[in-house]
Amino acid sequence: QKEVEQNSGPLSVPEGAIASLNCTYSDRGSQSFFWYRQYSGKSPELIMFIYSNGDKEDGRFTAQLNKASQYVSLLIRDSQPSDSATYLCAVNPGAGSYQLTFGKGTKLSVIP
Amino acid sequence: GAGVSQSPSNKVTEKGKDVELRCDPISGHTALYWYRQSLGQGLEFLIYFQGNSAPDKSGLPSDRFSAERTGGSVSTLTIQRTQQEDSAVYLCASSLGGQTNYGYTFGSGTRLTVV
Repeated sequence: QKEVEQNSGPLSVPEGAIASLNCTYSDRGSQSFFWYRQYSGKSPELIMFIYSNGDKEDGRFTAQLNKASQYVSLLIRDSQPSDSATYLCAVNPGAGSYQLTFGKGTKLSVIP
Repeated sequence: GAGVSQSPSNKVTEKGKDVELRCDPISGHTALYWYRQSLGQGLEFLIYFQGNSAPDKSGLPSDRFSAERTGGSVSTLTIQRTQQEDSAVYLCASSLGGQTNYGYTFGSGTRLTVV
């Protein structure tokens, strides 16, 4: 059973702080990793993807991948109240695979 | 279209009735997926269509669930004899090609409530 684990939260951070969201996965052969943001009552929206070990930055968002530790994280710098949402980690298990396995998500609350 | 379109956005049905949920993927996207999201649960894979290939139905929870995709575009998910445990948000997604290197684009979902 391929699993993707996330702390359900809620994770509360003050406005302007760095929010750190973590995800672990069980399938060592996993190839690509995604972070989706889901506002309450809305559908998931892709915000970042990463394939290689290390960091990938896009604006205030940084995705970090460590395949040896089977760990992927999302950092949100200068957190804003509009970042308050549930963040879903998703994993593509391997080359040629079409199915993403999703974690249950971490609820982030940014306090003004 | 510009995005993945799903209809209806909300559906309330009586237990035992059949329902049809519709998905219109992004134009040019050959891959189409149905997922289900129940309260407090993660996204559960239901079915995958890629071009003219046979669909992967491995995630369908029972034989009351079926889906078809006509002309490689619009898809319909049908739930027969609905049960209360079918209540969930049904999400459709599409992607360019069958490999998810760039992730999916989701529609806004259909919230199904079985009473």
